[in-house]
Amino acid sequence: GENVEQHPSTLSVQEGDSAVIKCTYSDSASNYFPWYKQELGKGPQLIIDIRSNVGEKKDQRIAVTLNKTAKHFSLHITETQPEDSAVYFCAASKETGANNLFFGTGTRLTVIP
Amino acid sequence: NAGVTQTPKFQVLKTGQSMTLQCAQDMNHEYMSWYRQDPGMGLRLIHYSVGAGITDQGEVPNGYNVSRSTTEDFPLRLLSAAPSQTSVYFCASKLQVLDTEAFFGQGTRLTVV
Repeated sequence: GENVEQHPSTLSVQEGDSAVIKCTYSDSASNYFPWYKQELGKGPQLIIDIRSNVGEKKDQRIAVTLNKTAKHFSLHITETQPEDSAVYFCAASKETGANNLFFGTGTRLTVIP
Repeated sequence: NAGVTQTPKFQVLKTGQSMTLQCAQDMNHEYMSWYRQDPGMGLRLIHYSVGAGITDQGEVPNGYNVSRSTTEDFPLRLLSAAPSQTSVYFCASKLQVLDTEAFFGQGTRLTVV
């Protein structure tokens, strides 16, 4: 099966700085890579996703990059704000016929005001 | 909008007891699933359903049963609780199995003593 590794497990940044979270995956057939944000006491919420036919995707202060050759993808948050503090999960999936998202182990991001 | 609703939010069980975790969605989603979240391990799929009357096993199904008698509800049953089932459980749904965005409930924190 798929194995998704995520680093770092914890990350602290000053408000206004950038944060980068990296994930690698093992199954070259995976073609869909979402990122979820989980705030305290809540379920994960999709914040951005990317498919294997795209190398980069941006949504305001959030961007995701994908390197299919190296089998890794990253989440970039610019101009961080205290409300960005949360646990972030990456995941990988084969869209066609797959019924499972394989999640990374999570990164606890703390933005220090 | 209610979205995905899980009950209860917290539960303590004694080893050997049985219980049912409830999950309901009001978005007419065909696909529903259960994950467990353990420290340092991300989310792992327990069972899923692609429609009423259809269920299948995920990555970690042992010790759990599910049924899908209606589109709205997808209960998870623990037949004989074990301390290894102490975890946070999340229910998620998607409009259809090949859809990308999964909507998560707020979770049930289960402790088995």
